[in-house]
Amino acid sequence: RKEVEQDPGPFNVPEGATVAFNCTYSNSASQSFFWYRQDCRKEPKLLMSVYSSGNEDGRFTAQLNRASQYISLLIRDSKLSDSATYLCVVNTYNFGNEKLTFGTGTRLTIIP
Amino acid sequence: DTEVTQTPKHLVMGMTNKKSLKCEQHMGHRAMYWYKQKAKKPPELMFVYSYEKLSINESVPSRFSPECPNSSLLNLHLHALQPEDSALYLCASSQVLGANGELFFGEGSRLTVL
Repeated sequence: RKEVEQDPGPFNVPEGATVAFNCTYSNSASQSFFWYRQDCRKEPKLLMSVYSSGNEDGRFTAQLNRASQYISLLIRDSKLSDSATYLCVVNTYNFGNEKLTFGTGTRLTIIP
Repeated sequence: DTEVTQTPKHLVMGMTNKKSLKCEQHMGHRAMYWYKQKAKKPPELMFVYSYEKLSINESVPSRFSPECPNSSLLNLHLHALQPEDSALYLCASSQVLGANGELFFGEGSRLTVL
């Protein structure tokens, strides 16, 4: 089983719709969780951290379910500029080192 | 604009060449990373430096040799690469190792090995 798994998509969603992605992780000792966004041929950039209580940043809501070992990202009122690949990232403490592991990414295209 | 600068942006090299990728940050970050990214794949961790010391080597072949001359600079020396090493090489930094997952990436060096 991969350490971090995501549905690669593509998700083709009309503008203004709500879209949600999930990500599962295999290591129950993983400590912190993030969503990164990567535009085509660009570098990844942190979108938001994911907290146990859930957190919201404008149109974006992130949730963490430790019992089921998944995180989610919800985008409301989607904009054309939301088209990108969304990478789930998990931070795991292992033998004295912290390591960030990236999921395969979910490709989202917002259609006018 | 990214605060992590990578040079060169593009590099084409033969299998017998020796070249280097360079990365620089002036944010005072003490952890620096090299990632490799193939098309439509996620970034794969190669090396991590923490306070200028190699902290993680993800079993990367010795034809890739990292170097951290000081806290602002990170190099990746390349020698006798294979065509399958062609990829986008991303440098990243964070305040310290872990740092709540906030990595700042450079724009990457796109490497083609002929």
